[in-house]
Amino acid sequence: EPEVTQTPSHQVTQMGQEVILRCVPISNHLYFYWYRQILGQKVEFLVSFYNNEISEKSEIFDDQFSVERPDGSNFTLKIRSTKLEDSAMYFCASGNAFNSPLHFGNGTRLTVT
Amino acid sequence: GQSLEQPSEVTAVEGAIVQINCTYQTSGFYGLSWYQQHDGGAPTFLSYNALDGLEETGRFSSFLSRSDSYGYLLLQELQMKDSASYFCAVRPGSNYQLIWGAGTKLIIKP
Repeated sequence: EPEVTQTPSHQVTQMGQEVILRCVPISNHLYFYWYRQILGQKVEFLVSFYNNEISEKSEIFDDQFSVERPDGSNFTLKIRSTKLEDSAMYFCASGNAFNSPLHFGNGTRLTVT
Repeated sequence: GQSLEQPSEVTAVEGAIVQINCTYQTSGFYGLSWYQQHDGGAPTFLSYNALDGLEETGRFSSFLSRSDSYGYLLLQELQMKDSASYFCAVRPGSNYQLIWGAGTKLIIKP
């Protein structure tokens, strides 16, 4: 069964550094998402992406964050000038239609020290 | 604001039946979804209700009442592997954002 893959599985970075989290969505999916989950808390929506542009973003997704689909298969989340509170599990998800179930990757655990 | 309420924790015995409730207050409604998440894992889709009534998928069923802004997930013949967190999520409108509940941790005892 096709799956969403994310790399790296764990990223440690120093405060103020930039990180890029990478995702390869399922190949025939058209809708892409980034979510984050602070340990033990609920899943929080960051951004959705469709037709090569951001379709919706949350209050969390401020100027520190950006997304890109550089080559038709990868979907990346860039976090500039990381802060301690950015430490969380970041999940990429994709779907083949607007209201279809989301398929999640296994996540990247980001630790900012 | 938009919110979903579900119990933080439910405990049940292996082989039993458990119901996890979810009530929602959202600006619109495009369906109620349920996801399962094992510790350290990714959320996995379980079920989706757009219309009132019961949807059954094997040991799991999900119910929706739009007039009551309420749904539940029913797990039957509980197995130890069902120990996980269960999240309800609502898509409130014609955007792409799912609003998530805080999750219910299901603890299963032998």
